[in-house]
Amino acid sequence: DGGITQSPKYLFRKEGQNVTLSCEQNLNHDAMYWYRQDPGQGLRLIYYSQIVNDFQKGDIAEGYSVSREKKESFPLTVTSAQKNPTAFYLCASSPQQGANEQFFGPGTRLTVL
Amino acid sequence: DAKTTQPPSMDCAEGRAANLPCNHSTISGNEYVYWYRQIHSQGPQYIIHGLKNNETNEMASLIITEDRKSSTLILPHATLRDTAVYYCIVRSHTGTASKLTFGTGTRLQVTL
Repeated sequence: DGGITQSPKYLFRKEGQNVTLSCEQNLNHDAMYWYRQDPGQGLRLIYYSQIVNDFQKGDIAEGYSVSREKKESFPLTVTSAQKNPTAFYLCASSPQQGANEQFFGPGTRLTVL
Repeated sequence: DAKTTQPPSMDCAEGRAANLPCNHSTISGNEYVYWYRQIHSQGPQYIIHGLKNNETNEMASLIITEDRKSSTLILPHATLRDTAVYYCIVRSHTGTASKLTFGTGTRLQVTL
Protein backbone atom coordinates (compact mmCIF):
# COMPACT_ATOMS: atom_id res chain seq x y z
CA ASP A 1 0.00 0.00 0.00
CA GLY A 2 1.20 3.50 -0.82
CA GLY A 3 1.07 6.12 1.88
CA ILE A 4 2.74 7.99 4.69
CA THR A 5 3.75 6.30 7.89
CA GLN A 6 4.64 7.92 11.17
CA SER A 7 6.01 6.09 14.11
CA PRO A 8 5.42 5.64 16.90
CA LYS A 9 1.78 6.66 17.37
CA TYR A 10 2.37 7.59 21.01
CA LEU A 11 5.67 8.74 22.45
CA PHE A 12 6.63 9.70 25.96
CA ARG A 13 9.83 11.49 26.93
CA LYS A 14 11.30 13.17 29.93
CA GLU A 15 11.80 16.90 29.93
CA GLY A 16 15.21 17.92 28.60
CA GLN A 17 15.60 14.98 26.22
CA ASN A 18 15.74 15.33 22.47
CA VAL A 19 13.37 13.07 20.56
CA THR A 20 13.13 12.21 16.86
CA LEU A 21 9.83 11.52 15.13
CA SER A 22 9.84 9.37 12.03
CA CYS A 23 8.03 10.11 8.77
CA GLU A 24 8.31 7.88 5.71
CA GLN A 25 6.44 8.04 2.40
CA ASN A 26 6.43 5.66 -0.57
CA LEU A 27 4.38 7.94 -2.82
CA ASN A 28 7.43 9.30 -4.64
CA HIS A 29 6.46 12.80 -3.53
CA ASP A 30 8.99 15.61 -3.76
CA ALA A 31 7.66 17.84 -0.97
CA MET A 32 7.25 16.92 2.69
CA TYR A 33 5.95 18.89 5.67
CA TRP A 34 5.76 18.80 9.45
CA TYR A 35 2.86 20.32 11.36
CA ARG A 36 2.09 20.65 15.02
CA GLN A 37 -1.44 20.56 16.45
CA ASP A 38 -2.43 21.57 19.97
CA PRO A 39 -5.80 20.62 21.54
CA GLY A 40 -8.70 22.45 19.90
CA GLN A 41 -6.42 24.23 17.47
CA GLY A 42 -5.61 24.02 13.80
CA LEU A 43 -2.30 22.83 12.37
CA ARG A 44 0.79 25.00 12.39
CA LEU A 45 3.69 24.47 9.99
CA ILE A 46 7.06 23.66 11.56
CA TYR A 47 9.33 22.83 8.61
CA TYR A 48 8.92 21.85 4.99
CA SER A 49 11.14 20.41 2.30
CA GLN A 50 10.65 20.72 -1.44
CA ILE A 51 13.50 18.45 -2.47
CA VAL A 52 16.19 16.20 -1.05
CA ASN A 53 18.90 18.01 0.94
CA ASP A 54 16.83 21.17 1.16
CA PHE A 55 14.34 22.41 3.77
CA GLN A 56 12.88 25.68 5.01
CA LYS A 57 11.51 26.92 8.32
CA GLY A 58 7.77 27.19 8.71
CA ASP A 59 5.89 29.39 11.13
CA ILE A 60 7.06 27.76 14.39
CA ALA A 61 10.50 26.26 13.71
CA GLU A 62 12.18 27.28 16.97
CA GLY A 63 13.20 24.28 19.04
CA TYR A 64 12.89 21.83 16.12
CA SER A 65 15.29 20.47 13.51
CA VAL A 66 14.85 18.32 10.40
CA SER A 67 16.87 16.54 7.74
CA ARG A 68 16.03 15.35 4.24
CA GLU A 69 18.77 12.95 3.19
CA LYS A 70 16.39 10.71 1.26
CA LYS A 71 13.32 11.52 -0.79
CA GLU A 72 11.12 9.17 1.20
CA SER A 73 12.18 10.25 4.69
CA PHE A 74 11.79 13.52 6.62
CA PRO A 75 12.52 13.00 10.34
CA LEU A 76 11.74 15.72 12.88
CA THR A 77 13.78 16.22 16.03
CA VAL A 78 12.15 17.95 18.95
CA THR A 79 14.99 19.44 20.94
CA SER A 80 15.18 20.39 24.58
CA ALA A 81 14.98 24.03 23.45
CA GLN A 82 11.32 23.59 22.51
CA LYS A 83 9.45 25.13 25.44
CA ASN A 84 6.15 23.25 25.05
CA PRO A 85 6.84 20.07 23.09
CA THR A 86 3.74 18.11 24.14
CA ALA A 87 1.50 18.07 21.06
CA PHE A 88 0.17 16.03 18.14
CA TYR A 89 2.68 16.01 15.27
CA LEU A 90 1.57 15.45 11.69
CA CYS A 91 3.70 14.77 8.66
CA ALA A 92 2.46 15.34 5.11
CA SER A 93 3.71 15.09 1.55
CA SER A 94 2.70 16.40 -1.85
CA PRO A 95 3.78 15.44 -5.37
CA GLN A 96 5.51 18.73 -6.20
CA GLN A 97 5.69 22.27 -5.07
CA GLY A 98 2.44 24.15 -5.62
CA ALA A 99 0.55 20.85 -6.00
CA ASN A 100 -3.10 20.53 -5.18
CA GLU A 101 -3.35 18.37 -2.13
CA GLN A 102 -1.25 17.19 0.72
CA PHE A 103 -1.42 13.66 2.01
CA PHE A 104 -1.16 13.31 5.76
CA GLY A 105 0.20 10.58 7.96
CA PRO A 106 -1.64 9.27 11.03
CA GLY A 107 0.32 11.49 13.43
CA THR A 108 2.46 11.02 16.51
CA ARG A 109 1.22 12.18 19.89
CA LEU A 110 4.23 13.31 21.91
CA THR A 111 3.96 13.75 25.65
CA VAL A 112 6.86 15.24 27.58
CA LEU A 113 6.73 14.48 31.26
CA ASP B 1 -2.73 33.49 2.01
CA ALA B 2 -6.17 34.94 2.76
CA LYS B 3 -7.75 34.40 6.17
CA THR B 4 -10.94 32.37 6.49
CA THR B 5 -13.80 32.46 8.99
CA GLN B 6 -15.89 29.41 9.87
CA PRO B 7 -18.51 28.72 12.54
CA PRO B 8 -16.96 26.74 15.39
CA SER B 9 -19.55 23.97 15.35
CA MET B 10 -22.59 22.61 13.53
CA ASP B 11 -24.98 19.71 13.93
CA CYS B 12 -26.58 17.67 11.17
CA ALA B 13 -29.01 14.76 11.20
CA GLU B 14 -27.82 11.60 9.51
CA GLY B 15 -29.06 11.35 5.94
CA ARG B 16 -29.55 15.09 5.60
CA ALA B 17 -27.31 17.47 3.71
CA ALA B 18 -24.61 19.21 5.71
CA ASN B 19 -23.85 22.73 4.50
CA LEU B 20 -20.66 24.16 5.94
CA PRO B 21 -20.04 27.86 5.26
CA CYS B 22 -16.73 29.68 4.96
CA ASN B 23 -16.03 33.39 4.59
CA HIS B 24 -12.90 34.52 2.79
CA SER B 25 -13.62 38.16 2.01
CA THR B 26 -9.95 39.05 1.37
CA ILE B 27 -9.35 36.32 -1.19
CA SER B 28 -7.31 37.42 -4.18
CA GLY B 29 -7.75 36.47 -7.80
CA ASN B 30 -5.19 33.65 -7.89
CA GLU B 31 -6.20 31.98 -4.64
CA TYR B 32 -8.05 28.69 -4.50
CA VAL B 33 -10.49 27.47 -1.84
CA TYR B 34 -9.57 24.11 -0.31
CA TRP B 35 -11.46 21.93 2.12
CA TYR B 36 -9.91 19.30 4.38
CA ARG B 37 -11.42 17.37 7.24
CA GLN B 38 -9.90 15.78 10.30
CA ILE B 39 -11.49 12.91 12.13
CA HIS B 40 -10.53 12.79 15.77
CA SER B 41 -6.83 11.95 16.36
CA GLN B 42 -6.14 11.29 12.68
CA GLY B 43 -4.35 13.25 9.98
CA PRO B 44 -6.40 15.66 7.84
CA GLN B 45 -7.95 14.36 4.65
CA TYR B 46 -8.32 16.36 1.46
CA ILE B 47 -11.93 16.78 0.30
CA ILE B 48 -12.18 19.20 -2.59
CA HIS B 49 -10.89 22.49 -3.98
CA GLY B 50 -11.97 25.14 -6.49
CA LEU B 51 -11.17 28.55 -7.93
CA LYS B 52 -14.42 30.13 -9.05
CA ASN B 53 -16.60 27.44 -10.55
CA ASN B 54 -18.64 25.05 -8.47
CA GLU B 55 -16.99 21.68 -8.05
CA THR B 56 -18.27 18.21 -7.24
CA ASN B 57 -16.56 14.94 -6.51
CA GLU B 58 -17.49 11.67 -4.86
CA MET B 59 -17.17 13.16 -1.40
CA ALA B 60 -18.75 16.60 -1.60
CA SER B 61 -19.75 19.66 -3.58
CA LEU B 62 -18.16 23.09 -3.31
CA ILE B 63 -20.23 26.17 -4.06
CA ILE B 64 -18.27 29.43 -4.45
CA THR B 65 -20.15 32.73 -4.64
CA GLU B 66 -19.76 34.86 -7.72
CA ASP B 67 -17.68 37.46 -5.86
CA ARG B 68 -15.62 34.61 -4.36
CA LYS B 69 -15.86 36.08 -0.88
CA SER B 70 -17.52 33.00 0.56
CA SER B 71 -18.10 29.34 -0.15
CA THR B 72 -20.11 26.39 1.09
CA LEU B 73 -19.06 22.78 1.36
CA ILE B 74 -21.99 20.42 0.91
CA LEU B 75 -22.05 16.82 2.10
CA PRO B 76 -25.24 15.66 0.36
CA HIS B 77 -26.15 12.76 2.66
CA ALA B 78 -24.24 13.03 5.92
CA THR B 79 -23.42 9.86 7.82
CA LEU B 80 -22.06 9.33 11.31
CA ARG B 81 -18.62 8.78 9.76
CA ASP B 82 -18.67 12.38 8.51
CA THR B 83 -18.38 13.64 12.08
CA ALA B 84 -15.12 15.59 11.99
CA VAL B 85 -13.53 19.04 12.03
CA TYR B 86 -13.76 20.65 8.61
CA TYR B 87 -11.15 23.18 7.57
CA CYS B 88 -11.60 25.80 4.85
CA ILE B 89 -8.24 27.01 3.52
CA VAL B 90 -7.44 29.62 0.91
CA ARG B 91 -4.11 29.53 -0.88
CA SER B 92 -2.50 30.33 -4.19
CA HIS B 93 -0.81 27.82 -6.44
CA THR B 94 2.17 30.07 -6.91
CA GLY B 95 5.07 30.23 -4.55
CA THR B 96 7.71 27.78 -3.57
CA ALA B 97 5.68 25.24 -1.64
CA SER B 98 2.07 24.30 -1.13
CA LYS B 99 1.93 25.49 2.46
CA LEU B 100 -1.47 25.20 4.09
CA THR B 101 -2.65 27.58 6.82
CA PHE B 102 -5.20 25.85 9.03
CA GLY B 103 -7.61 27.78 11.23
CA THR B 104 -9.71 26.15 13.94
CA GLY B 105 -12.32 24.85 11.48
CA THR B 106 -15.94 23.78 12.01
CA ARG B 107 -16.67 20.81 14.19
CA LEU B 108 -19.50 18.92 12.46
CA GLN B 109 -21.48 16.52 14.62
CA VAL B 110 -23.73 14.13 12.70
CA THR B 111 -26.44 12.65 14.86
CA LEU B 112 -28.99 9.84 14.51
